[in-house]
Amino acid sequence: GAVVSQHPSWVICKSGTSVKIECRSLDFQATTMFWYRQFPKQSLMLMATSNEGSKATYEQGVEKDKFLINHASLTLSTLTVTSAHPEDSSFYICSVSPPGQGLSGQPQHFGDGTRLSIL
Amino acid sequence: KQEVTQIPAALSVPEGENLVLNCSFTDSAIYNLQWFRQDPGKGLTSLLLIQSSQREQTSGRLNASLDKSSGRSTLYIAASQPGDSATYLCAVRPRGTGNQFYFGTGTSLTVIP
Repeated sequence: GAVVSQHPSWVICKSGTSVKIECRSLDFQATTMFWYRQFPKQSLMLMATSNEGSKATYEQGVEKDKFLINHASLTLSTLTVTSAHPEDSSFYICSVSPPGQGLSGQPQHFGDGTRLSIL
Repeated sequence: KQEVTQIPAALSVPEGENLVLNCSFTDSAIYNLQWFRQDPGKGLTSLLLIQSSQREQTSGRLNASLDKSSGRSTLYIAASQPGDSATYLCAVRPRGTGNQFYFGTGTSLTVIP
């Protein structure tokens, strides 16, 4: 069964709207979750690392004021795209790694992604 | 910074053929490498995880190898089927830079019935 639940799966909204995407770890507590973005015909690019109880770590070039990340519990991280514009249209995917296996043995489990279309 | 490249970018084969997908990475200091499958408009499905101390992993018709010193991994698919058509991504987890994965550019596979 699914290890990671991501919601919603598809969002279409007007420019200027803020959109919240949820990522839930279903099978284990996750102190760290990751948010990726994928543009059409491109690979996944890490946007930020979500840390439970502390600030997220953003990759270079990702605006932290535009992409707000909240990791309020050990099973839930949210990504809010604030004042979204058409260039923010993309496929957003979150991932988690199970704890306790050592970094070598840790696979990444991904949500099904959220397709965001800004009109 | 780790860079991951996959060759070829696209591949089309007739059903039943064996095929090899290639992945190369620039920094051999990794914890592990993972192969994923992505169907159009969908999320990622994990296929195989190879730890840095391992040379290969097998699951059904899939076999993945890792040559860490040369920065290469291959995904071998035996007796390909139309249902194998998808984009295949490899990702590496570098040492010392946190827990994130760096993804390759992907290989789009089409298996023709």
